[in-house]
Amino acid sequence: DAKTTQPNSMESNEEEPVHLPCNHSTISGTDYIHWYRQLPSQGPEYVIHGLTSNVNNRMASLAIAEDRKSSTLILHRATLRDAAVYYCILRKYGNTGNQFYFGTGTSLTVIP
Amino acid sequence: GAVVSQHPSRVICKSGTSVKIECRSLDFQATTMFWYRQFPKQSLMLMATSNEGSKATYEQGVEKDKFLINHASLTLSTLTVTSAHPEDSSFYICSASGGQGVGIYGYTFGSGTRLTVV
Repeated sequence: DAKTTQPNSMESNEEEPVHLPCNHSTISGTDYIHWYRQLPSQGPEYVIHGLTSNVNNRMASLAIAEDRKSSTLILHRATLRDAAVYYCILRKYGNTGNQFYFGTGTSLTVIP
Repeated sequence: GAVVSQHPSRVICKSGTSVKIECRSLDFQATTMFWYRQFPKQSLMLMATSNEGSKATYEQGVEKDKFLINHASLTLSTLTVTSAHPEDSSFYICSASGGQGVGIYGYTFGSGTRLTVV
């Protein structure tokens, strides 16, 4: 699977928007971009995914660059419960047996 | 959304004994499940891919005789850590391919098992 690069850590003030970047310059045309987050001592939790178009759901928004070599996860109003490690992962289309390989992720700290 | 139940959540065992961890998909069938290991302040490392009814595929460097994986049904996969040693102490996490609410080709993760070998 193609590799992703994320900053090791970021900070945000509570109730402010957070933009978490991810670079995936070697992405192929059929790779889906998935975002998961992991709270301490828990398994990862699905956040959002997309292919080419920007996506919105109740948790976050995903902005995908036109060339798809980068994407940004947007939390519109950070809360203390959003403090977690956020992982950006590429997923091959058409093969449910493909594994998720996790990078180092971004540790988000939310400041009250 | 979909739920993957992992049991036990915590286990302490003596060195040299074996420990079994269960991973169940509660409301969907999972032909493929994955086992990860996570050391403190590190990312998840994939250990093996488990396919229902067939042998697991292990990642390079993972001892298949030490980490026995069984995926006998579409809703249950088990990981047995045999002859556990203190260095096997870690957070073990399973995931299942699919499930409602995780999008196309997404995965649903269990809540993890904290294994401590003393």
